[in-house]
Amino acid sequence: DTAVSQTPKYLVTQMGNDKSIKCEQNLGHDTMYWYKQDSKKFLKIMFSYNNKELIINETVPNRFSPKSPDKAHLNLHINSLELGDSAVYFCASSPSPLQETQYFGPGTRLLVL
Amino acid sequence: AQSVTQLGSHVSVSEGALVLLRCNYSSSVPPYLFWYVQYPNQGLQLLLKYTSAATLVKGINGFEAEFKKSETSFHLTKPSAHMSDAAEYFCAVSPSGSNYKLTFGKGTLLTVNP
Repeated sequence: DTAVSQTPKYLVTQMGNDKSIKCEQNLGHDTMYWYKQDSKKFLKIMFSYNNKELIINETVPNRFSPKSPDKAHLNLHINSLELGDSAVYFCASSPSPLQETQYFGPGTRLLVL
Repeated sequence: AQSVTQLGSHVSVSEGALVLLRCNYSSSVPPYLFWYVQYPNQGLQLLLKYTSAATLVKGINGFEAEFKKSETSFHLTKPSAHMSDAAEYFCAVSPSGSNYKLTFGKGTLLTVNP
């Protein structure tokens, strides 16, 4: 009965590879988010989708492409991985873009070698 | 634009002592304010939030925070620390009434000594 789940939990890969992280929420929320937490624990929003529509797109390299097949899922695809992409990626959801409480997933720890 | 400053990247207290984690914000519109907690190797969990109702907000696990507009502060307190409170704490701000975007502070690591 996990509210926001992410797969995989850990991801170790080589530079230049392409990888995807999946996120699913079973809360019935309309809005989902991707955050990046760097090695210094700093959290920054990357993207947000509301009912499968992109509503927030921060300054993120084009190598990062979110996809929302339905409002319960928001996946993150990363092309041509770089060392600097190593971080923890968190998915979150909220009932709507105007609802203040976000519910976070457990995170995906990405290490690029 | 909004921003959050958390004073002190690391706070250490003894078990049973008062916990005080400081957060100051900057926002061009009335803000919503939040404290989240992150236990080791876990996601973030909401502790409490201020959304323009009562200025003293009570959260989970005995934590509370007071919104002080004149000081642009939202400090987090707990009267008596427990070993299980050891975690990273994040203050966050969002503009009220608009497309919701959380801006986080850099976090404060709380350690609790026996």
